[in-house]
Amino acid sequence: ETGVTQSPTHLIKTRGQQVTLRCSSQSGHNTVSWYQQALGQGPQFIFQYYREEENGRGNFPPRFSGLQFPNYSSELNVNALELDDSALYLCASSTGGGETQYFGPGTRLLVL
Amino acid sequence: RKEVEQDPGPFNVPEGATVAFNCTYSNSASQSFFWYRQDCRKEPKLLMSVYSSGNEDGRFTAQLNRASQYISLLIRDSKLSDSATYLCVVRGPTDKLIFGTGTRLQVFP
Repeated sequence: ETGVTQSPTHLIKTRGQQVTLRCSSQSGHNTVSWYQQALGQGPQFIFQYYREEENGRGNFPPRFSGLQFPNYSSELNVNALELDDSALYLCASSTGGGETQYFGPGTRLLVL
Repeated sequence: RKEVEQDPGPFNVPEGATVAFNCTYSNSASQSFFWYRQDCRKEPKLLMSVYSSGNEDGRFTAQLNRASQYISLLIRDSKLSDSATYLCVVRGPTDKLIFGTGTRLQVFP
């Protein structure tokens, strides 16, 4: 096991609602990256947090936002959910600087 | 054009077979290269990094050709437990990982 945990494991929401997903990074890791994986696709980079600051963002709209806390755990918030937001959301932790990223088990989100 | 392209498969091979996966990437500034393995409904797990000199880990051999922007993975003596999706992954100047869509492998008895 990687030591990266995510909660909840599964979630069902309706269009227009808001959701918060959580990630606890591996001990000693100060960097958390979030990815979205739609069915049949590879993971797509959403953003990365390093020492509580956003450190890079992919092609996702502003309704995708995040936080990192002093203990390096992180949240992903998605507002105004759309059907296409249904996906597996993965977080990965690392020590940054190009080091190996270790993935958590993911949160499976279904938007109805 | 996708940044990382892979043949989605599926590749259906018998136990003991040798199978090869290929991948191309578009950004010549890419700095690091990996193969990740993803089992059904699970998270991706790092299989191996890929170096310009080529590298081997047991039955797995990875090759990188920077001039052609091409990455390969060779699996020898396939096992049933090798059945999974293999993701080609590239990291650019920033720390984000760019994934291909994955190649599905099914090994049958």
